[in-house]
Amino acid sequence: AQTVTQSQPEMSVQEAETVTLSCTYDTSESNYYLFWYKQPPSRQMILVIRQEAYKQQNATENRFSVNFQKAAKSFSLKISDSQLGDTAMYFCVSYNAGNMLTFGGGTRLMVKP
Amino acid sequence: DTAVSQTPKYLVTQMGNDKSIKCEQNLGHDTMYWYKQDSKKFLKIMFSYNNKELIINETVPNRFSPKSPDKAHLNLHINSLELGDSAVYFCASSRPGGPRAQYFGPGTRLLVL
Repeated sequence: AQTVTQSQPEMSVQEAETVTLSCTYDTSESNYYLFWYKQPPSRQMILVIRQEAYKQQNATENRFSVNFQKAAKSFSLKISDSQLGDTAMYFCVSYNAGNMLTFGGGTRLMVKP
Repeated sequence: DTAVSQTPKYLVTQMGNDKSIKCEQNLGHDTMYWYKQDSKKFLKIMFSYNNKELIINETVPNRFSPKSPDKAHLNLHINSLELGDSAVYFCASSRPGGPRAQYFGPGTRLLVL
């Protein structure tokens, strides 16, 4: 079974600064994908970024980037130039070939003005 | 324009009642899912349908029955509602092939009194 662990239940960052959210996972699959989803107060689940495990290059999407350490099974999310609209719950998620998403427990991020 | 829609967004009902939540996606995806998010924000998959066929059925009470009339719809029917069923239920869909990012609906907040 896959597990995803987010060790930071809550974090805060000042507007315009950079913050990194941690995630570790455990899987026996050789082919898998990793995602970060964002859930703002509106409750909508929004895909932020994705990473294919077979790709060594870290994914980036504008202000969002990941640090994917496959050997360490670590998948952290870096948010640069934080904005008030980044305030949300962030979920680290793994996907395997069985069509299953496994969610971490989430990290609540507060961006302060 | 809505990619994945759910109705209703809010549902308040008494214990013992039967209720349904509807989900529709206009993305042309073949696979649809139901997730339950509990009060601690933990998300867990309940069901997955691919082309109207059940492919994942996690351990949920048999009071929960998904119904897929076509591949654009996956409804969730809940019989004999219990207090512990109170949660936010998310519908999601994904396309076959490639990184299987799932696109989520806005969620349905169910409160059982």
